[in-house]
Order: sequence, then C-alpha cells, then structure tokens
Amino acid sequence: DQQVKQNSPSLSVQEGRISILNCDYTNSMFDYFLWYKKYPAEGPTFLISISSIKDKNEDGRFTVFLNKSAKHLSLHIVPSQPGDSAVYFCAASSYNNDMRFGAGTRLTVKP
Amino acid sequence: GAVVSQHPSWVICKSGTSVKIECRSLDFQATTMFWYRQFPKQSLMLMATSNEGSKATYEQGVEKDKFLINHASLTLSTLTVTSAHPEDSSFYICSARASTGVAYSPLHFGNGTRLTVT
Repeated sequence: DQQVKQNSPSLSVQEGRISILNCDYTNSMFDYFLWYKKYPAEGPTFLISISSIKDKNEDGRFTVFLNKSAKHLSLHIVPSQPGDSAVYFCAASSYNNDMRFGAGTRLTVKP
Repeated sequence: GAVVSQHPSWVICKSGTSVKIECRSLDFQATTMFWYRQFPKQSLMLMATSNEGSKATYEQGVEKDKFLINHASLTLSTLTVTSAHPEDSSFYICSARASTGVAYSPLHFGNGTRLTVT
C-alpha cells in the first residue's frame, strides 16, 4: 500500500526560480516527515525534516511546509541551483519506527 | 555527522550463489537498522528491520529464508541474498538512526549496493 505519494514524477525549473515538490500521505499516525535527496547509484541524503507539532521548518534555501488537515507536505527550494538537480524522496514515520517513502520526484534545474 | 558505510558498492554474481552485503555505522551505535530495496525509477521499499541481538522483522512479501539478516553487533548488520536469481538484481540500501532515545531523528543511509545476478 502506498502510504506516501509523490504524484509528480518529474519537475523542471529555471535556475534562480522556486522549486516546489509535493507529497501526500494517508496514514494519520505519521508524525515525522522528511525529505531526502538522491543521486544515481548512491544512498539518499537527509535534507530537512518536520515533526507534526510544526507547520513549517526552514534551513537555508530549503523550507518544508506541513498541512496536517490535508495530509500534505511540500518542499520549497529558493533559489533553485543546477546542483539541486536530483531525485527527491518524501518520507514519513511514526515516532522512531521505520520510514515509508514516496516514489520520488526528479528535479531538473536548468541553467 | 552520522556515517553509514555499506559494502560492497556493487557486485555481480552467478545465479544460484549467495551474496553478503555489510552495513556499518561508523561513528555511532545502532540497535536498529533498516534494509531497503529500490527498483529502477521506483521508490525505496522497506524489506526488513534488523534488530541487534534478535531476529529481524520482515515486511509482508519478503522471503526471510531468501534474504537473511544478521545484526551481530551495535555497528554491523548484514544482508545475505541466498540462492540469488536474476530477479533479485536490484539496488539494496541500508540505513540507521544515529540517536536513540530521541523522539525524532532521521535515518542515515549507506551508499547502497548494486547487485546484478547473471
């Protein structure tokens, strides 16, 4: 069952503009959400997280927004850079249990 | 930062042989490690949860006799793919949490192992 969904398999943006990656989840027990960045043939790299007690968390160019009522979160990258081009995975878990991942969104930032 | 080392990074084996993949937490102890599998252009699928000193917990549909997991110490978990077949060819990734007793902490991943069974 797909408890975490990323409905956009790909996204292309111009350098300097905002990238918005979206993620939806179905399990209301999830209370910890993360975004990972992944390059081919490498393991995912942790990017940013948010717990369910918050609705926004910011770290430099990366901001994650959480809308619990809609069971939706998004990752904003501003400004986007060519080095941001990668596959981004949304993940969710409850407390310190295992994580469930979305299918990923391939971001391409064009110079 | 927390480092998870996975070895080998790639392996080619013949059908019917077994392959062992190691996952080590280099600068922290991990009572629990997780093994994921990724098919091309698909998501990371959790295979099993590896618990130090006890049996692994497998996800539904994952054959425990085919994917043997051993978590012998607080810094090492191994995944052995037994009697490998071409359909076992995939990208296997392990992960662990650096912080225990903390409510929320991210998983840190190894660099993965590309297994090709010929």
